[in-house]
Amino acid sequence: QVQLVESGGGVVQPGRSLRLSCAASAFNFSNYNMHWVRQAPGKEPEWLALISYDGSYTYYADSVRGRFTISRDNSKNTLFLQMNSLRTEDTAVYFCAREGSREGFSVYAFDYWGQGTLVTVSS
Amino acid sequence: QSALTQPASVSGSPGHSITISCTGTSSDVGSYNLVSWYQHHPGKAPKLMIYEGTKRPSGVSDRFSGSKSGNTASLTISGLQAEDEADYYCCSYVGSSSPYVFGTGTKVTVL
Repeated sequence: QVQLVESGGGVVQPGRSLRLSCAASAFNFSNYNMHWVRQAPGKEPEWLALISYDGSYTYYADSVRGRFTISRDNSKNTLFLQMNSLRTEDTAVYFCAREGSREGFSVYAFDYWGQGTLVTVSS
Repeated sequence: QSALTQPASVSGSPGHSITISCTGTSSDVGSYNLVSWYQHHPGKAPKLMIYEGTKRPSGVSDRFSGSKSGNTASLTISGLQAEDEADYYCCSYVGSSSPYVFGTGTKVTVL
């Protein structure tokens, strides 16, 4: 079955960097747009970033644009999120999610998610 | 883009039906038939329950249904079961460079 497994979370000081990974399995990773979504404690999920199936385009939420970079390695079925200049408000569980599609067209929804990895930004 | 508005909590007895609302604006929910709904048991992966407003993914029970009227989307759970107890979030595509906005979330309790 489709599986997404995030890793790389942890405790980091403000201003430092962290790189998250998301290992995908049981589907043709290179055919799907992928996303990062985060959820701060007690808050709703927040969409962060999108990368196209081939990495040719990316989009970011205003809150992370210029600090975070989404990328992928289709040869290794892995999605990444490079997070720089971290702030205390970046503390959250970070999820990777697959963008669903039907007959080759996006359904503009996230049909599979990982369980998330916790990032805590604290001095 | 502001979060979509959901009731903080909804409860119902086993076998009964509940409806969760998701209120946005004419710029998000009202503009697109692209609302999705997610079930989230804390500590687990969120699960897609409804996409494109009314469609169920394969494997999702037909007890879950979606609808929309104007700027408000709704998720109805009929024949409520204990395993339906979870957090539910709506999400709308908004067509901008930051293309998705989530709802504030609803905790469903089965009495």
